[in-house]
Amino acid sequence: TQLLEQSPQFLSIQEGENLTVYCNSSSVFSSLQWYRQEPGEGPVLLVTVVTGGEVKKLKRLTFQFGDARKDSSLHITAAQPGDTGLYLCAGGRGYSTLTFGKGTMLLVSP
Amino acid sequence: SQTIHQWPATLVQPVGSPLSLECTVEGTSNPNLYWYRQAAGRGLQLLFYSVGIGQISSEVPQNLSASRPQDRQFILSSKKLLLSDSGFYLCAWMVFGRGSGETQYFGPGTRLLVL
Repeated sequence: TQLLEQSPQFLSIQEGENLTVYCNSSSVFSSLQWYRQEPGEGPVLLVTVVTGGEVKKLKRLTFQFGDARKDSSLHITAAQPGDTGLYLCAGGRGYSTLTFGKGTMLLVSP
Repeated sequence: SQTIHQWPATLVQPVGSPLSLECTVEGTSNPNLYWYRQAAGRGLQLLFYSVGIGQISSEVPQNLSASRPQDRQFILSSKKLLLSDSGFYLCAWMVFGRGSGETQYFGPGTRLLVL
């Protein structure tokens, strides 16, 4: 069974703080996606990474794919209340389905 | 551009009643289609997926079923709902991009409450 372990499960911080969310596996993935989901809505794709060691930036969000393509991290700089939501990682291996982590719930308070 | 629709947005149904949730995709051909269920604030449970018309793979045995009568239509059904069927149901479609990996795009979801 391919598992993606996300940590932490829940994170509550103050506006302006930095944070990092991790997504780890013992399996190698050909690609890894990060999504953000707000209550009552579907997950929205933030980024897809496909190359080991790849780093992508989306404004205050920095995504990294591990060199061995088994893990990934999401770093948010100067978090804002609008960053609040459930962050999901998902890994692909060229099959018809993705493996999803269980998510990290982020709460950013003003 | 591609869009994905789900309806209804919210549904309240009595135990033992039938269910039909519909998902349609626009702007793409022969997509892979998926049904997920999500408990509040938690991860996604894959229920069914389809790689083509009439082709359904079931991931979790239960009283739900899925059908794909047209290329861009995916339907989730039940003959008799259980209390445990309550949840947030998400439809998604996937493309395989050369050099861009596999990416799934999600619909807005249907909130189902079985009473």
